[in-house]
Amino acid sequence: QKEVEQNSGPLSVPEGAIASLNCTYSDRGSQSFFWYRQYSGKSPELIMFIYSNGDKEDGRFTAQLNKASQYVSLLIRDSQPSDSATYLCAVYPGAQKLVFGQGTRLTINP
Amino acid sequence: KAGVTQTPRYLIKTRGQQVTLSCSPISGHRSVSWYQQTPGQGLQFLFEYFSETQRNKGNFPGRFSGRQFSNSRSEMNVSTLELGDSALYLCASSQRTSGSSNEQFFGPGTRLTVL
Repeated sequence: QKEVEQNSGPLSVPEGAIASLNCTYSDRGSQSFFWYRQYSGKSPELIMFIYSNGDKEDGRFTAQLNKASQYVSLLIRDSQPSDSATYLCAVYPGAQKLVFGQGTRLTINP
Repeated sequence: KAGVTQTPRYLIKTRGQQVTLSCSPISGHRSVSWYQQTPGQGLQFLFEYFSETQRNKGNFPGRFSGRQFSNSRSEMNVSTLELGDSALYLCASSQRTSGSSNEQFFGPGTRLTVL
């Protein structure tokens, strides 16, 4: 079992709809959870982090965390073509090491 | 505030050579972590430096090494390059606070091609 699992996609969503990205992790001791966005040929860009159970909203983005189920998700409301990218879920189990999932490729169709 | 900078941006080397990559963290950030990104393995942690000391290391062979200077700038060295070392090498900077969050901000990366 991989430490952090994501559906690789591609996930195709029409413009204006909600994109839902999911991630599960295996280490119950994980402390913090991050979502990075990576455009093709670019480096990952931090867009959200969450460390408490529940929801955290920032603009069109909402991160959701359920530690009991070891599940993290990212919702993107009013999806725009510029949201088309690979979204990387990262888990922080400690010791300054982030463990990344393989990423979900998201395509927003105009 | 300036972001994380990495040099060079692109490198082409041949098998057996060695390479040194450089990373300057965000001003005030004292932790630098290095990652390797490949299509097959994704993003994998190499090591982290804080206060000029390696604090944690991933599962990479000893050919991969690094160091950090007193101004928090870090270098990563790969010796005896292999074809499989071709990858995007990313460095990430963080404040390394004592809290549970560990926001890491990535530089643009160095694309290494080994021929």
